[in-house]
Amino acid sequence: DAGVIQSPRHEVTEMGQEVTLRCKPISGHNSLFWYRQTMMRGLELLIYFNNNVPIDDSGMPEDRFSAKMPNASFSTLKIQPSEPRDSAVYFCASRPRQGLSEQYFGPGTRLTVT
Amino acid sequence: GEDVEQSLFLSVREGDSSVINCTYTDSSSTYLYWYKQEPGAGLQLLTYIFSNMDMKQDQRLTVLLNKKDKHLSLRIADTQTGDSAIYFCAESHNAGNMLTFGGGTRLMVKP
Repeated sequence: DAGVIQSPRHEVTEMGQEVTLRCKPISGHNSLFWYRQTMMRGLELLIYFNNNVPIDDSGMPEDRFSAKMPNASFSTLKIQPSEPRDSAVYFCASRPRQGLSEQYFGPGTRLTVT
Repeated sequence: GEDVEQSLFLSVREGDSSVINCTYTDSSSTYLYWYKQEPGAGLQLLTYIFSNMDMKQDQRLTVLLNKKDKHLSLRIADTQTGDSAIYFCAESHNAGNMLTFGGGTRLMVKP
């Protein structure tokens, strides 16, 4: 199994541009989580999906952030327009089924907004 | 809301034991976890413990839970240079949907 796949691994963009981060969960997993990691705030949960349905998006910072999961094997996190304070490492994680606790993390996307 | 606290840094010599501590505030926590993050990588689950247990051992890892004091620790026996990483404590109280992470403890192992 390839594990959770994220792309791109690194993204550098200018303020105001749209950024799209992509995630492919482990096949057969039905929960997906997006996290953001910064030095100042540590690891924060942004949003999670069960069976492709967003369950809790209370961690999404503001309307500039949106996430979709059109099918069980793909999710996107979009920032539009991006700002320098969005610079962080964004992790995607997936979990086999509800009620089971282990989340498997992807390698992350390091986003730099200049 | 929930809060999970860890010390920032721990330095040990190779072969010694490491003890990483964590405190949490949510008394309804059901699961408590330890994750490891190596440079440039995502988080890897090391072990977890149910709140009705007070100890769990897995090879070189020993997790101790003091539920009364809301204190969790991870002991790594015979620490190796490959154990150098950031270790995150996390808790959840709803079957793992929402994890609250601590800020992470950077473990440095000196040869």
